Amino acid sequence: DIQMTQSPSSLSASVGDRVTITCRASQAIRNDLVWYQQKPGKAPKRLIYAASSLQSGVPSRFSGSGSGTEFTLTISSLQPEDFATYYCLQYNSYPRTFGQGTKVEIK
Amino acid sequence: EVQLVESGGGLVQPGRSLRLSCAASGFTFGDNAMSWFRQAPGKGLEWVGFITSKAYGGTTEYAASVKGRFTISRDDSKSIAYLQLNSLKAEDTAVYYCTRGDGYPYYWGPGTLVTVSS
Repeated sequence: DIQMTQSPSSLSASVGDRVTITCRASQAIRNDLVWYQQKPGKAPKRLIYAASSLQSGVPSRFSGSGSGTEFTLTISSLQPEDFATYYCLQYNSYPRTFGQGTKVEIK
Repeated sequence: EVQLVESGGGLVQPGRSLRLSCAASGFTFGDNAMSWFRQAPGKGLEWVGFITSKAYGGTTEYAASVKGRFTISRDDSKSIAYLQLNSLKAEDTAVYYCTRGDGYPYYWGPGTLVTVSS
């Protein structure tokens, strides 16, 4: 199974801050990675797919990069509505596996 | 508009069974794979498994944690996907989500809570 190591597990940031979240895969997964945002009590929302493709309707302050084993999600200027938990998911092989999640909290 | 609505969750004793349903609308159900995910209270997301469309044989894949206990099926005439949960354990307590497609699903249902407890 491919292990996805996501870091940090949580972070505190202020509105306007630049935030970076990392996912590392235990083996190469090409660019078969998606980023989700989840708010309490809600289903995940897809932000980025194929590692760097921005989902239609998602603000351009979100971006994804990486290929192979190292991936990043960047929020260029954190907004109040961005406080949530973020997950990466690899879809290169079965079983599909998630990172542990990163909770972004208000500083 | 694509809609997915899960149902069938509830409180169940360890060792018992439950069947979850995912009613789909707004797209051609029979042309799509369907997946299930879950999230234990306060924990991260976990992939449970998926079923391909009949065009691809209606084949299934499962996470190791549920293989042999859970079964995914589909009724294309009713646009419903099912998740049969057998031999339930306390660690199966979670919100269960269905999604359209495999890989990197965009459409998710709101989820249904399954609580396994005596």
